[in-house]
Order: sequence, then structure tokens, then C-alpha cells
Amino acid sequence: QKEVEQDPGPLSVPEGAIVSLNCTYSNSAFQYFMWYRQYSRKGPELLMYTYSSGNKEDGRFTAQVDKSSKYISLFIRDSQPSDSATYLCAMSPFIQGAQKLVFGQGTRLTINP
Amino acid sequence: IAGITQAPTSQILAAGRRMTLRCTQDMRHNAMYWYRQDLGLGLRLIHYSNTAGTTGKGEVPDGYSVSRANTDDFPLTLASAVPSQTSVYFCASSRQSGGTYNEQFFGPGTRLTVL
Repeated sequence: QKEVEQDPGPLSVPEGAIVSLNCTYSNSAFQYFMWYRQYSRKGPELLMYTYSSGNKEDGRFTAQVDKSSKYISLFIRDSQPSDSATYLCAMSPFIQGAQKLVFGQGTRLTINP
Repeated sequence: IAGITQAPTSQILAAGRRMTLRCTQDMRHNAMYWYRQDLGLGLRLIHYSNTAGTTGKGEVPDGYSVSRANTDDFPLTLASAVPSQTSVYFCASSRQSGGTYNEQFFGPGTRLTVL
């Protein structure tokens, strides 16, 4: 079983919908939680990161971390066709030296105009 | 200027051949990383380097080697390629500052097919 599980989708929703993307994990040592967005044939780019539990909001995006349940979420409000991409969750324990990220499988999201 | 560059963009390689994937960053980041991305498995860490002159093994290091002679370059070598190494390879870098989080920046990737 992978340390980080993410539903690969694909997920297809109409423009303007609220999108919920989720990951579960098994390693209680994870302290840093990230969401990356990856467009087709491009490298991943950081969307948001959260340290420990709680919520973080950035425009139309909200990241939530529930360490007690080992569950993280990314919400996208008022989704746009430009949000169509693969979304990857990533996590790491306390950082000592290089930050060794553990990624979920990625969820492919399509926003239909 | 460019952030992270990777070369080649794509490559088809015969099994058993040696191949070096190149990665260069111009951000003066201490830490660099190599990941492979496979369908259904996400990105997995192959090797990493805390700083020039040091390297470490990630989750899937077998069949790969790296070197870090200077801050900017972090080549990944497949000594004798096998079909299971067909994948998309991403190089990444991050500033390293003690125990705090620093964003990892990713290159555009190299698509490698081993036949």
C-alpha cells in the first residue's frame, strides 16, 4: 500500500462547479502538505502548501489538512476551463536537509465550458 | 532566466545502452532532486542532493546514479537501460534553509522510452 493515496479520476465537472480533491496518507510523521498542478506535458508547479493541520485559502483555492484523520483536501471554487490539469498532492516529514516529497498518484481534472 | 532546464526533451533508447539525462538550474539552489513519473504511480524520488558534493538515495534508486560536482548541475545516469525505466523524468531544485519548507521548482521533464 502506498504511503499517499489519491483517487486518479478522471474527474470531469462543468464550469463554475466546486471541485473537491482529496488524499489520504498513512505516515503520521508528515508535517508539510502540498498541492501541485501539472498541465499536460509540463512539470508540476506548486499551487499551495500547508504546515500541520488547518485551512489555507488563496483566491479560489482552499487547502485543508486533518492530521487526526490523515486526510487532506483541495477545494476549487468557481472552477474555470483553465483549471483543467492533473492535481498532485505531496507530503514530507520534518525537514532535515533536502525535502524528500512523497506524492499521490495525481487526479486528472477537466472543467467543461 | 530559465529556472531549470533539462535535456534531452525526449529520447528513444535501446535496452542496454548508457544514457545521461542533464539538469541545470540557475537559481543557486542548494538542493536538487530527480523524480520519475509513471501512470498510476505519481512522482517517485530517485536520488537527491543536499548540496554540491553530496548525494542520497530516494525511493527508487536502483539502476540510476547521480553526481553533483557543482551547484548548478545534477546529471542522472542510466548505466544499462532496461524497458522498465521508460518514464518521464523530472529534475527539481529548492533552496535549503534549515528545517523550514522551501518550494521545489520542477523542470519541463525528459520523456524516455527504452525499447
